[in-house]
Amino acid sequence: AQTVTQSQPEMSVQEAETVTLSCTYDTSESDYYLFWYKQPPSRQMILVIRQEAYKQQNATENRFSVNFQKAAKSFSLKISDSQLGDAAMYFCAYWRPRFYFGSGTKLNVKP
Amino acid sequence: DSGVTQTPKHLITATGQRVTLRCSPRSGDLSVYWYQQSLDQGLQFLIQYYNGEERAKGNILERFSAQQFPDLHSELNLSSLELGDSALYFCASSVEEVEGETQYFGPGTRLLVL
Repeated sequence: AQTVTQSQPEMSVQEAETVTLSCTYDTSESDYYLFWYKQPPSRQMILVIRQEAYKQQNATENRFSVNFQKAAKSFSLKISDSQLGDAAMYFCAYWRPRFYFGSGTKLNVKP
Repeated sequence: DSGVTQTPKHLITATGQRVTLRCSPRSGDLSVYWYQQSLDQGLQFLIQYYNGEERAKGNILERFSAQQFPDLHSELNLSSLELGDSALYFCASSVEEVEGETQYFGPGTRLLVL
């Protein structure tokens, strides 16, 4: 079965700074999707960003961008200009043939 | 708002009881997933339905069952409830694209078993 590993249970960043959350995955597939989801204290799961494995270009969504290294099976999330509202649990997820989630990284944002 | 709806939002019940959680996927989405999230835990995949048929099964207890109806809404039935079943239960629906799926989550049902 596919596995998704988030090795950082908790991280902190100063407001306005940049932080990178790590994610690695294990798969023998060549085509798949990767995601980052955010879960704020309200516990709603919010899609942050998506990366299709067949695309070489790294996905970006405003202040959120990914560093997708297919050969290394690595998929990190970079948050630029961190804001207090970015404080949340962040889950990395892999799709194929269903969704697999990492254990999450809790991000604290310090004012 | 993801477009996925779940009812009820909160549910308080007693051990040994049975409850039904309901999910309506986004318009056009054929796939529904159910997840369990205990406090400060990750997401536990329970089961997936696709257009009325069971497609994948995770660590779903025998006391739990689910189904997807012709109108594509889904229900998760939890019976003989135990204290440890207290959790946030998410439903998610996904849209199929050329090369994969993207999943959108409902707001969840918070179940408390006393």
